[in-house]
Amino acid sequence: EIVLTQSPDTLSLSPGERATLSCRASQSISGSNLGWYKQKPGQAPRLLIYAASSRATGIPDRFSGSGSGTDFTLTISRLEPEDFAVYYCHQYGDSPRTFGQGTKVEIK
Amino acid sequence: QPRLVQSGPEVKQPGASVKVSCKAAGYIFSNYGISWVRQAPGQGLEWMGWFNANNGNTNYAQNLQGRVTMTADTSTSTGYMELRSLNSDDTAVYYCARGDGYFGPGTSFDYWGQGTLVTVSS
Repeated sequence: EIVLTQSPDTLSLSPGERATLSCRASQSISGSNLGWYKQKPGQAPRLLIYAASSRATGIPDRFSGSGSGTDFTLTISRLEPEDFAVYYCHQYGDSPRTFGQGTKVEIK
Repeated sequence: QPRLVQSGPEVKQPGASVKVSCKAAGYIFSNYGISWVRQAPGQGLEWMGWFNANNGNTNYAQNLQGRVTMTADTSTSTGYMELRSLNSDDTAVYYCARGDGYFGPGTSFDYWGQGTLVTVSS
């Protein structure tokens, strides 16, 4: 099973700042089959990024994904108020599929 | 616009079973898999498995093998997840999502249901 470890657990930033979230896999993820999701309290997760770097439909360009192999990054260039949430990475290259434990982006 | 609508909240006693439905609309149901993910209170996301709506294949998380069954009724574009022998650790919000359904590399989950809270309590 591929274990995904996200860091940091919590990121305290102000609106307008840049957020950099990391997702490290215990073994290489085939084909960069990694996605990122955003979840706000009481809501279902929403897909932001798939295939490591492709933005999902309707996702603003302040969100970008990068990485390959075992190291992946989600960057939010300038935080908007609605971006304060929990973010999860998810690998779908191998079975079983797995999620990271999440990174909470909170207002400083 | 694709949409997934799940059934309502459930309260079950330990040892009982629950069946959650997920009705799809806005896309060709058999062209996509349905995946299931759960989230215990205050916890992260846990992958449960997927159902391939085209060929009926399934793949379940090892820790749920023998207790979970994922099916679908293609005539109504509805997916189902049944979980048996419930215990308190199964208390969670259960989500269906569009995507995956492959034994090799799969797909991300691009549309999600609203979630169904299942509470297991005596």
